[in-house]
Amino acid sequence: GNSVTQMEGPVTLSEEAFLTINCTYTATGYPSLFWYVQYPGEGLQLLLKATKADDKGSNKGFEATYRKETTSFHLEKGSVQVSDSAVYFCALMNTGFQKLVFGTGTRLLVSP
Amino acid sequence: DTEVTQTPKHLVMGMTNKKSLKCEQHMGHRAMYWYKQKAKKPPELMFVYSYEKLSINESVPSRFSPECPNSSLLNLHLHALQPEDSALYLCASSQQGGNSPLHFGNGTRLTVT
Repeated sequence: GNSVTQMEGPVTLSEEAFLTINCTYTATGYPSLFWYVQYPGEGLQLLLKATKADDKGSNKGFEATYRKETTSFHLEKGSVQVSDSAVYFCALMNTGFQKLVFGTGTRLLVSP
Repeated sequence: DTEVTQTPKHLVMGMTNKKSLKCEQHMGHRAMYWYKQKAKKPPELMFVYSYEKLSINESVPSRFSPECPNSSLLNLHLHALQPEDSALYLCASSQQGGNSPLHFGNGTRLTVT
């Protein structure tokens, strides 16, 4: 079946530190991969996406590369800000299905 | 600002009440979704509507009744809920097909007393 595994949180960083949140997946076929972010008290916002192997999604300084050989889609940012504190969800959607399969989420806490 | 609007933002209801959650989008999306999210958990899919027809029901109890009156609106009717149904209810929409990303609303925080 399809599943997504994310690193346990919380991830605690100081402002301007480098961020990596690991995400690996199991899927049949060729899924699309997504990162969503949820700020406190809000819904989920699409952060970035990649639809095929070696695609790099990027937005607001965040990047993730679709690695089929390692079945990974790790989220990175070169310099985090306090405002990046949120919960980050890795997710996949397989072709022909309408289900978005989420990882468990990783909470990021950035201190000044 | 989110392009998927959900009302109300907060709802408190007793176990004998009947209430409805509403969702609206004007992006021309033809797929709409209801998700339930408990604290510190990822969202769980409840229902999917495709071209205003119910296409997926994830074995949701009948006390939750979805309705899609037109391509822009999605309702979730609630009746005889239990305290464990307290959660954040998220609506989402997407283009039909092609692994299009979902666009989420900010949710309705439901408390069942």
